Amino acid sequence: DSGVTQTPKHLITATGQRVTLRCSPRSGDLSVYWYQQSLDQGLQFLIQYYNGEERAKGNILERFSAQQFPDLHSELNLSSLELGDSALYFCASSVGGALEKLFFGSGTQLSVL
Amino acid sequence: TQLLEQSPQFLSIQEGENLTVYCNSSSVFSSLQWYRQEPGEGPVLLVTVVTGGEVKKLKRLTFQFGDARKDSSLHITAAQPGDTGLYLCAGEGKLIFGQGTTLQVKP
Repeated sequence: DSGVTQTPKHLITATGQRVTLRCSPRSGDLSVYWYQQSLDQGLQFLIQYYNGEERAKGNILERFSAQQFPDLHSELNLSSLELGDSALYFCASSVGGALEKLFFGSGTQLSVL
Repeated sequence: TQLLEQSPQFLSIQEGENLTVYCNSSSVFSSLQWYRQEPGEGPVLLVTVVTGGEVKKLKRLTFQFGDARKDSSLHITAAQPGDTGLYLCAGEGKLIFGQGTTLQVKP
């Protein structure tokens, strides 16, 4: 158990819909990362937050947004969903700092039908 | 754009065999990490290498960082079924991951 909690574990929805994925980092970790994993793209970095502030941005679509709340949990919002958004979405947390170790949650499997 | 290429993409071997997987880039990285991911789970960090030429050992796993810090390798000695999984290398603050090597070790 990494200590990072992601909900829900599975999500099935239709094209055009909007969903919210939730992540609770390990106790004491200030940094949260979001990744998308698909068979053809591998593990792609989406966005990072540190103590409530956006720290780094990857190839995150404009239809996607995220935030980190004062209690440090984070949410990833995916809107106007397309079939190609079907993937595993991972959240990871770390204390923050150089060479920090990332702890990954078990992921949310999103299926867009 | 910094990219990490891993090879081979897929490897199926018998228990007891040795294997090496590679992580290559045309760019220099300040550090590289190796993760292992099992089905239904998130990646788990195995090791971080930071110095060119560095070699780290984790039981039967040996990790090496290239002298020029552009490549890394993972060598597994006497592979066991429990080594089965997806091996990922990551660079530059974990923002860049390779595509991974899927390893299957048959008993």
